[in-house]
Amino acid sequence: EDQVTQSPEALRLQEGESSSLNCSYTVSGLRGLFWYRQDPGKGPEFLFTLYSAGEEKEKERLKATLTKKESFLHITAPKPEDSATYLCAVQARYNQGGKLIFGQGTELSVKP
Amino acid sequence: ETGVTQSPTHLIKTRGQQVTLRCSSQSGHNTVSWYQQALGQGPQFIFQYYREEENGRGNFPPRFSGLQFPNYSSELNVNALELDDSALYLCAITLKDRFPYGYTFGSGTRLTVV
Repeated sequence: EDQVTQSPEALRLQEGESSSLNCSYTVSGLRGLFWYRQDPGKGPEFLFTLYSAGEEKEKERLKATLTKKESFLHITAPKPEDSATYLCAVQARYNQGGKLIFGQGTELSVKP
Repeated sequence: ETGVTQSPTHLIKTRGQQVTLRCSSQSGHNTVSWYQQALGQGPQFIFQYYREEENGRGNFPPRFSGLQFPNYSSELNVNALELDDSALYLCAITLKDRFPYGYTFGSGTRLTVV
């Protein structure tokens, strides 16, 4: 069964304290792995798509990496405005209808 | 601004009632998907529409149904509402001519069933 598990469930950082979020996945042929940011009461905001092991993408203080079993979202020198829930999702190559399978998210809080 | 608009933003319904949620986009899109997100959980796939036909469905009963219209709008209908249907309902589109298939989400409709 295709599955996504994110850890930790919650992470509290001081401003400037770098850390990483983990996304472990099991999927029958990976088509793509997606990272989203979600603010309270809002829809997910697209961050990155990764397709193959070894791939890396960066955006401002965020860097996403991918292996055959997991993905990491590295946050360098975070600021309070980076506080949000970060969601990881996978799309299987052969699933029907473009279904995204999401993890439960990591709630990040960055204190000044 | 995501370009995906959902209405209404909040809704309160009584158990057993029926509800229709709406989604529209400012630009053309290939597919529209609907997700249910319970509090503290990740979104769960309900179904996807492509060219006005359902082409994928998650583990949701038939009382969840949908429509996609030629004018880039879509509806999610839920019959015989249950308390567990209380959630944030999200609409997601894939934009025309954009590969890879980045899914753009709306801000959602918060449904409360009492």
